[in-house]
Amino acid sequence: AQSVTQPDIHITVSEGASLELRCNYSYGATPYLFWYVQSPGQGLQLLLKYFSGDTLVQGIKGFEAEFKRSQSSFNLRKPSVHWSDAAEYFCAVGGPGDYKLSFGAGTTVTVRA
Amino acid sequence: DAGITQSPRHKVTETGTPVTLRCHQTENHRYMYWYRQDPGHGLRLIHYSYGVKDTDKGEVSDGYSVSRSKTEDFLLTLESATSSQTSVYFCAIWGEGGSSYEQYFGPGTRLTVT
Repeated sequence: AQSVTQPDIHITVSEGASLELRCNYSYGATPYLFWYVQSPGQGLQLLLKYFSGDTLVQGIKGFEAEFKRSQSSFNLRKPSVHWSDAAEYFCAVGGPGDYKLSFGAGTTVTVRA
Repeated sequence: DAGITQSPRHKVTETGTPVTLRCHQTENHRYMYWYRQDPGHGLRLIHYSYGVKDTDKGEVSDGYSVSRSKTEDFLLTLESATSSQTSVYFCAIWGEGGSSYEQYFGPGTRLTVT
């Protein structure tokens, strides 16, 4: 069975500081991995995705994520956080031809001035 | 924007009443999904569809049914709403083509069961 764990429920970070959100997955084959962001009252927007190849992937809004197969992790990073990055972030896992995703419980990011 | 709309966007209903939520897409995607979002649980799949009249259960399907009689519409029905079904419901489609291979989400429906 596939699953995703996001160990941090809530993270508070100062504006301009770096941010790292953790994601650990369980999947029986080669995983497809995704990070989505949800601003308050909005739907989910894709930040980035990993299918194969370079394990460091770049996304929108200055985010990047690194796939580490040995650690079953896909952590999301941003070097310098802006107040507009305050949101909830979801990691998800699926697979080729699977057409279903399993989502983590989410990490809420608060940005303080 | 994958052309997904949900209706209604907000609904308050009483326990025991039937409720139907509608998801409409404009781009002829094969796969459609219904999720519910609750604090501490992320998104949980209720049902999904892989074609007209082809549907399957997700992890939290009890108390819900779905129908898809046209490619563009995917309906979620709560036969007899309960307070535990108070949630935010998201519809999604699977987008393919070009560099796209991901789920796109609608704006959500906030349902309150009193």
